[in-house]
Amino acid sequence: DIQMTQSPSSLSASVGDRVTITCRASQGIRNDLGWYQQKPGKAPKRLIYGASSLQNGVPSRFSGSGSGTEFTLTISSLQPEDFATYYCLQQNSYPRTFGQGTKVEIK
Amino acid sequence: EVQLVESGGGLVQPGGSLRLSCAASGFIFSSHEMNWVRQAPGKGLEWVSSISGGGLSTYYVDSVKGRFTISRDNSKKTLYLQMNSLTAEDTALYYCARGDKVADWGQGTLVTVSS
Repeated sequence: DIQMTQSPSSLSASVGDRVTITCRASQGIRNDLGWYQQKPGKAPKRLIYGASSLQNGVPSRFSGSGSGTEFTLTISSLQPEDFATYYCLQQNSYPRTFGQGTKVEIK
Repeated sequence: EVQLVESGGGLVQPGGSLRLSCAASGFIFSSHEMNWVRQAPGKGLEWVSSISGGGLSTYYVDSVKGRFTISRDNSKKTLYLQMNSLTAEDTALYYCARGDKVADWGQGTLVTVSS
């Protein structure tokens, strides 16, 4: 099984900050990775697919990069509505595996 | 607009069974792989199972193999998850999600396993 190691598990940031979240795969997964945002009491929402493609309707301050084993989600300028938990998901092989999540909190 | 509506959750005793359903609309159901993903209270997301568009291929996380069965009825545009031999560790909000790239999600149905 492919393990996804996501870091950090939580972070505190201010509005306007640049935020970076990383996922590392235990083996190469090409670009078969998605990033999801989840707010309390809500279903997850996909932000990025194919490691770097922005989902329709998602603000351009979100971006994804990486291939193989190292992946990054970047929020270029954190907005109040971005405070949430973020997950990566590898979609290269079964079983699918999520990262442990990163909770982005207000500093 | 893609819509996924889960149902069938509830309170069940340990060792009991439950069948979840997910009614789909807004896309060609039979063309898409479908998934179940769960989230235990206060915990992260866990992929549970996937099924191919035609229903011939199924996949499971190890912890549910032999206990859960995923299926679909393409004529009814409905996804199912039959859950048997439930334990407290299966307590979670269960989401259905569309596609091999897990694009769209329902709102979830809550399963509570408790005596």
